[in-house]
Amino acid sequence: QVQLVQSGAEVKKPGASVKVSCKASGYTFTSYGISWVRQAPGQGLEWMGWISAYNGNTNYAQKLQGRVTMTTDTSTSTAYMELRSLRSDDTAVYYCARDFVAAAGGPLDYWGQGTLVTVSS
Amino acid sequence: EIVLTQSPATLSLSPGERATLSCRASQSVSSYLAWYQQKPGQAPRLLIYDASNRATGIPARFSGSGSGTDFTLTISSLEPEDFAVYYCQQRSNPLTFGPGTKVDIK
Repeated sequence: QVQLVQSGAEVKKPGASVKVSCKASGYTFTSYGISWVRQAPGQGLEWMGWISAYNGNTNYAQKLQGRVTMTTDTSTSTAYMELRSLRSDDTAVYYCARDFVAAAGGPLDYWGQGTLVTVSS
Repeated sequence: EIVLTQSPATLSLSPGERATLSCRASQSVSSYLAWYQQKPGQAPRLLIYDASNRATGIPARFSGSGSGTDFTLTISSLEPEDFAVYYCQQRSNPLTFGPGTKVDIK
């Protein structure tokens, strides 16, 4: 069965960086993309960006351009999302989700369990 | 960026009742609209894609309709496990979500 398993919760100080992993299993990793979506406490869903696991192409949300990098390791079927220069308003649960291989847009048919990132001094 | 608006913000209903949730796009998204269900402490779950197609394993009481800018998610008869928040999502770049509709128990 398809599974996306994310790394554990993180606590970071403002200005630091965080890297969240998302290990895929149960499907051919390189036949899909991965989108990253975050959810601040009590808020809605915000799309952060997408990466193709086939060729590494990326598409980032404009508000995060320059602070976010998404990568994949096809040898381990793992996707990574790194967010730099963390601020308090980056505190959120971060989700990875399986997406279309050629472009972002979904539908996002399988989701990881979420990783809570807390940014606090 | 395409903005999605959902109404109502909260829908208070009893088990067995019919739920009708609306999603409106600021410009046409053709039929490229999905619906997700999210329960507290859980990841979202895909219910409907391309406006009217049920995702794998989704019960038939969930149905979607619409095209262009106006879409509807209908739950024909609410089960206790259906009380949750529902989000719509469109796929034009950048991908965007609606603000959600909370379906709670009356």
